Amino acid sequence: AQSVSQHNHHVILSEAASLELGCNYSYGGTVNLFWYVQYPGQHLQLLLKYFSGDPLVKGIKGFEAEFIKSKFSFNLRKPSVQWSDTAEYFCAVGGSNYKLTFGKGTLLTVNP
Amino acid sequence: DAGITQSPRYKITETGRQVTLMCHQTWSHSYMFWYRQDLGHGLRLIYYSAAADITDKGEVPDGYVVSRSKTENFPLTLESATRSQTSVYFCASRESISGSEQFFGPGTRLTVL
Repeated sequence: AQSVSQHNHHVILSEAASLELGCNYSYGGTVNLFWYVQYPGQHLQLLLKYFSGDPLVKGIKGFEAEFIKSKFSFNLRKPSVQWSDTAEYFCAVGGSNYKLTFGKGTLLTVNP
Repeated sequence: DAGITQSPRYKITETGRQVTLMCHQTWSHSYMFWYRQDLGHGLRLIYYSAAADITDKGEVPDGYVVSRSKTENFPLTLESATRSQTSVYFCASRESISGSEQFFGPGTRLTVL
């Protein structure tokens, strides 16, 4: 069975600080990895995904993530956060069955 | 407009009543999903469907029923609502292509009194 672990429940940063959110997964086959963002009161939107190829994936709004197979990790990074990045971030893993398993989410609060 | 819609957006009901949440997508995606989102639990899969007339249980199916008579619709029914089913429900869809993006609807906030 696939599972996802997000290490940080709530992260508080000041604007311009660097961000790294941890995500580890468990899955025995070929994985697809995703990061979704949920802004307050809104639905989930895709930030980026890893399917194959270059393990460093760039997404929207300056976010990137690195797939490290040996560590079963897919951490999300952004060099300089903005107040508008305040949101909840979900890591998800998908396999050949097209189902996604989500982590419990990390709430990011960016103070101006 | 193209996309995925849910109705109603907000619903208050009483324990024991039957409630149906609607989901409609215009992309003709094969796969559709229902999740519930609860504080501390993230998103948990209730049911999913690979195509019309094909449905399967997810992680938390008890107390829910789904159907998929048409590709574009995937209603979720709570046959006898309980307070523990108070949650935000998200419908999603995706193509049957590995690695494809899963698109989410705007959500339905359900309160069971």
